[in-house]
Amino acid sequence: SAVISQKPSRDICQRGTSLTIQCQVDSQVTMMFWYRQQPGQSLTLIATANQGSEATYESGFVIDKFPISRPNLTFSTLTVSNMSPEDSSIYLCSAGGDRDEKLFFGSGTQLSVL
Amino acid sequence: GENVEQHPSTLSVQEGDSAVIKCTYSDSASNYFPWYKQELGKGPQLIIDIRSNVGEKKDQRIAVTLNKTAKHFSLHITETQPEDSAVYFCAASKTNAGKSTFGDGTTLTVKP
Repeated sequence: SAVISQKPSRDICQRGTSLTIQCQVDSQVTMMFWYRQQPGQSLTLIATANQGSEATYESGFVIDKFPISRPNLTFSTLTVSNMSPEDSSIYLCSAGGDRDEKLFFGSGTQLSVL
Repeated sequence: GENVEQHPSTLSVQEGDSAVIKCTYSDSASNYFPWYKQELGKGPQLIIDIRSNVGEKKDQRIAVTLNKTAKHFSLHITETQPEDSAVYFCAASKTNAGKSTFGDGTTLTVKP
């Protein structure tokens, strides 16, 4: 299993600012993903963080709004840019899932935008 | 794309009773079906999973069944305990688990 540390755990931000969320895995993993979970709702995949190349974004999510870095096999960041109240959500980092690997999640970043 | 429907949205049981949560999926190519438990303030945790070449899988008090023909799968929890109270999500994927489509979740409450 993989242990995933995510920070910050929560933040309150002002409209128009940006926040970078960090995700650290305790072992090298092939696949890392970023999800959004709006209050009381299900998980929606934002993008796959690819090591050494640009992230692959799902429909409805764009790089300018959610730039992602993946400099190595254990670390990734997600930036929420030019935030608005609609970006208030929980952002989750996950790792694994390739072939027969199980998928593990961090504890999430609860973001509130005022 | 894949669509996963999960029922019920809320479930309340008495301690010691069984709980069943059901999901249906739309894409017959999906071949991996995990279940996650999410406690308040935490990320989802994988509790059991099943692949399309298996009809049933059990792990202590938890079991999952899969009916590929009908495209539905279910989570069964026996002898429920208060610590089973959480939100449970089903999911389906055909490439890798990270690109799963999730159900809307079931809030399970186990009353002592």
